[in-house]
Amino acid sequence: EAQVTQNPRYLITVTGKKLTVTCSQNMNHEYMSWYRQDPGLGLRQIYYSMNVEVTDKGDVPEGYKVSRKEKRNFPLILESPSPNQTSLYFCASSPTARTDSTEAFFGQGTRLTVV
Amino acid sequence: AQRVTQPEKLLSVFKGAPVELKCNYSYSGSPELFWYVQYSRQRLQLLLRHISRESIKGFTADLNKGETSFHLKKPFAQEEDSAMYYCALKISRGSARQLTFGSGTQLTVLP
Repeated sequence: EAQVTQNPRYLITVTGKKLTVTCSQNMNHEYMSWYRQDPGLGLRQIYYSMNVEVTDKGDVPEGYKVSRKEKRNFPLILESPSPNQTSLYFCASSPTARTDSTEAFFGQGTRLTVV
Repeated sequence: AQRVTQPEKLLSVFKGAPVELKCNYSYSGSPELFWYVQYSRQRLQLLLRHISRESIKGFTADLNKGETSFHLKKPFAQEEDSAMYYCALKISRGSARQLTFGSGTQLTVLP
């Protein structure tokens, strides 16, 4: 089944403790991105990747890192999480970002709480 | 500035009533617009895109370039339509064409 898989689904952590949220897609998509979803603010893009070893900042990259060593994986790294990073995170992938009309496929979401 | 505005955070209608979720955009280029839906405890998924001019689950959306709008409409709402709806615009960021989302409208269809 074609899908985007995030892990973990739920995570509670303490301020300053490094964590990684994994994202994997099995559709051979070039383009992957991370969003955070907050009430009243909708989805805001954190980072995106056009292809392997090509990543760039989105609208709200502060406090986050990403890597794209393989096409299928795009982990989101919080080196020193803070309470304002408490949010619902979504990973998404698309065949490419070079043309229009391509659908974005989303993961199930990761609900992160930083205390 | 490239922006998508959904003015209603919450919208409630009764079953069988018409529903319209508003979306306005600001974009200097040729817009490519989408509606995504997120049902309770499910992932975000594409509902429809303006270029397809299709009706999905009874929903339609027409791009009005004069009013820079892409409102989502359904003549007779059903309880299973209750969900979070996001309007999205494809914008150019560097060499990429990417989605920027509105803040979303939570639709509740009452029995």
